[in-house]
Amino acid sequence: NAGVTQTPKFRVLKTGQSMTLLCAQDMNHEYMYWYRQDPGMGLRLIHYSVGEGTTAKGEVPDGYNVSRLKKQNFLLGLESAAPSQTSVYFCASSYGQAGINQPQHFGDGTRLSIL
Amino acid sequence: AQSVTQPDIHITVSEGASLELRCNYSYGATPYLFWYVQSPGQGLQLLLKYFSGDTLVQGIKGFEAEFKRSQSSFNLRKPSVHWSDAAEYFCAVGASFGNEKLTFGTGTRLTIIP
Repeated sequence: NAGVTQTPKFRVLKTGQSMTLLCAQDMNHEYMYWYRQDPGMGLRLIHYSVGEGTTAKGEVPDGYNVSRLKKQNFLLGLESAAPSQTSVYFCASSYGQAGINQPQHFGDGTRLSIL
Repeated sequence: AQSVTQPDIHITVSEGASLELRCNYSYGATPYLFWYVQSPGQGLQLLLKYFSGDTLVQGIKGFEAEFKRSQSSFNLRKPSVHWSDAAEYFCAVGASFGNEKLTFGTGTRLTIIP
């Protein structure tokens, strides 16, 4: 009964370092999303994918890259981390379009600090 | 493009009291509306959703919400709150066509006092 699993749960980086956040879902969902959550700003969409091999930009894509090589995995990369990317990152998945009938299922988040 | 506003950043209620959290949306057609709850250190969990039909929808944990088209609102209610309801609540709106994305409000943090 895993649902959406995010790895790692916590990470501290130095400015300029790179890292990849992994999201895995076992529900055979087509759609996957990466959000960042900052105090007073709710959730903002970074990138999303409507199926294996596809990606699209969301509201705040700058400084991030994503890949969806396998249907069950959605990777979020930071090539050169900046303090402004300190945030809590959430991955979500849904069976179909989030705006049409299908709710999103969320992971527990990755808390990322950039020093 | 759709948008959603949660006017209350923080609400405090006594255990056993009733609760109403406000949500206003902006969208040109009938929206798809959701309420999610986030407990500390956790991801978001779906409470309830509205797509069409009956404007009063029931969700988990004793919550309900009413869609009012004339007021562009989708307020969340609970008759009697429990200490375990302390969390952050997010309203979200999705387009009924042509858009793969949800737009979330900024959230309302609920504190329960004994």
